Amino acid sequence: GNSVTQMEGPVTLSEEAFLTINCTYTATGYPSLFWYVQYPGEGLQLLLKATKADDKGSNKGFEATYRKETTSFHLEKGSVQVSDSAVYFCALSDDGSEKLVFGKGTKLTVNP
Amino acid sequence: DTGVSQDPRHKITKRGQNVTFRCDPISEHNRLYWYRQTLGQGPEFLTYFQNEAQLEKSRLLSDRFSAERPKGSFSTLEIQRTEQGDSAMYLCASSYGTPHLSPLHFGNGTRLTVT
Repeated sequence: GNSVTQMEGPVTLSEEAFLTINCTYTATGYPSLFWYVQYPGEGLQLLLKATKADDKGSNKGFEATYRKETTSFHLEKGSVQVSDSAVYFCALSDDGSEKLVFGKGTKLTVNP
Repeated sequence: DTGVSQDPRHKITKRGQNVTFRCDPISEHNRLYWYRQTLGQGPEFLTYFQNEAQLEKSRLLSDRFSAERPKGSFSTLEIQRTEQGDSAMYLCASSYGTPHLSPLHFGNGTRLTVT
């Protein structure tokens, strides 16, 4: 079945550091890939997505590229801020499916 | 846009009791989803409605679980004869299209503790 594997957390960085959160997936079809983020005290919200191979999703300085050959969708940001502290979830959805399959989440803490 | 609201925020119940949770989606969204999240895990899909029709249910949704969405507006999730293994955060989300096209908007969840 479909699954998503994220790097284990928690991750602690200093402000302005470079961020990478690894995500790999297993899927039977041609899934769309997503990063959802949960800020403290809030519900999950979509950060970015990519719907086909080699697409790059980007938002709020975050980027992730859909790599079919390595079945990966790693999240990157060049310079993190304290306000980026949150839990980040990688997810996939098979073509035609209403269901999102989530990874376990990675908690990021950014210190000033 | 007032967001997705869930009620209650927390529920503590004794094993064997029935509980019911409510979700009010964003008003113009026709799709409504229920997910369950346990500690250290990501959300797991339970069920999905398009308008009032329940179109998909996960195998995680045992016979003790039932969800409704009368008139295609709010939804309720009922768990009968609760078990300790039901302790989790229950998340509701809504959208106006498939996940490929439209982001899911999640509520803050209902945390269930079964003692």
